[in-house]
Amino acid sequence: SQTIHQWPATLVQPVGSPLSLECTVEGTSNPNLYWYRQAAGRGLQLLFYSVGIGQISSEVPQNLSASRPQDRQFILSSKKLLLSDSGFYLCAWSPTSGDGYTFGSGTRLTVV
Amino acid sequence: KQEVTQIPAALSVPEGENLVLNCSFTDSAIYNLQWFRQDPGKGLTSLLLIQSSQREQTSGRLNASLDKSSGRSTLYIAASQPGDSATYLCAVLGNQFYFGTGTSLTVIP
Repeated sequence: SQTIHQWPATLVQPVGSPLSLECTVEGTSNPNLYWYRQAAGRGLQLLFYSVGIGQISSEVPQNLSASRPQDRQFILSSKKLLLSDSGFYLCAWSPTSGDGYTFGSGTRLTVV
Repeated sequence: KQEVTQIPAALSVPEGENLVLNCSFTDSAIYNLQWFRQDPGKGLTSLLLIQSSQREQTSGRLNASLDKSSGRSTLYIAASQPGDSATYLCAVLGNQFYFGTGTSLTVIP
């Protein structure tokens, strides 16, 4: 069966520090991969999605970037964090057909 | 652009009550609709996935319906329990996945 792993679960980082969140999927090949952010009291915002290795689409201009170095690995990064980057980050995958999304357990990022 | 609305934003019911959560969307050209549950500080857990050609899906005490032409879906929870307390999100897949803002459900023992 397919599983999705996301880490770390929580992270407290100072303003201006770098960020790297990792997400990996097991049990499937060529998944579509997604990074979402959920700010407190707000809905889910799609940040990036990827349909293949090295193929990244960005939905909103921001301080973050994403990379897909391997088929089942998706990384969210920042060179210098801002206070406004605080939030709950969720990784998700879907089959190429888009037939149902599965989410990771999320990372709570607090920028101080 | 697709807009997904969930009403009510919050709901509080006594244990044992049957309840309905509503989800509406503006563009009926969807591939599927998915209902999720989110516990505080946790990720999203998929509850039910309805393909655009289907009318409903059932899992245990949960039943989700889809009326694509009217842009509506409902999630019916039978015999609610305190453990059902969570935020319920619906999402539709068009050219991308669009989420509603959720209904926060509290089931009072």
